[in-house]
Amino acid sequence: DAGITQSPRYKITETGRQVTLMCHQTWSHSYMFWYRQDLGHGLRLIYYSAAADITDKGEVPDGYVVSRSKTENFPLTLESATRSQTSVYFCASSRDGRVVLTFGAGSRLTVL
Amino acid sequence: SQQGEEDPQALSIQEGENATMNCSYKTSINNLQWYRQNSGRGLVHLILIRSNEREKHSGRLRVTLDTSKKSSSLLITASRAADTASYFCATEGDSSYKLIFGSGTRLLVRP
Repeated sequence: DAGITQSPRYKITETGRQVTLMCHQTWSHSYMFWYRQDLGHGLRLIYYSAAADITDKGEVPDGYVVSRSKTENFPLTLESATRSQTSVYFCASSRDGRVVLTFGAGSRLTVL
Repeated sequence: SQQGEEDPQALSIQEGENATMNCSYKTSINNLQWYRQNSGRGLVHLILIRSNEREKHSGRLRVTLDTSKKSSSLLITASRAADTASYFCATEGDSSYKLIFGSGTRLLVRP
């Protein structure tokens, strides 16, 4: 199916565990983004990527790692999850990065 | 830090009424966007207004932009229950491909 898909949609993990959230888009968009959404903070940019093998930090990158070996995939890894990383994570993509973002449905992560 | 801040944080209106929400931002922009988020879903792009535009329409949506006041408003006319959602404005961060979102306005349209 065309679009942008995130997996898993829901994840419960424990403090200290590694978690990877997957994002896959079928449009061959150059730009991909990871945001987290928390009450009172809106959406905050974690990392973004302008192309395969090109990534850069956003507003809140600490505790997260990203990679982009293929244009269509942009996984987000929490190497050692903390309770403060409990959030809803959204992946988004953009054709040229300058205007409209298309979002995935989100991944709700709970860290116990 | 957030570039855009929406006001009010929450709005409750009756079906058929108009809904107006506002966004203020801090630095100069090339464009401003509005997105909608239904409960439990991702954000969906609604409309983009460029810095040289003052008003833009899309169906029941009307967006205004006042660059001198660094503010924008989103008007939804003849609201429907299906318009119940959170609405976010988004502006550029320190580069044009890093959108910064406000904390949103939660709109409830009562049938």
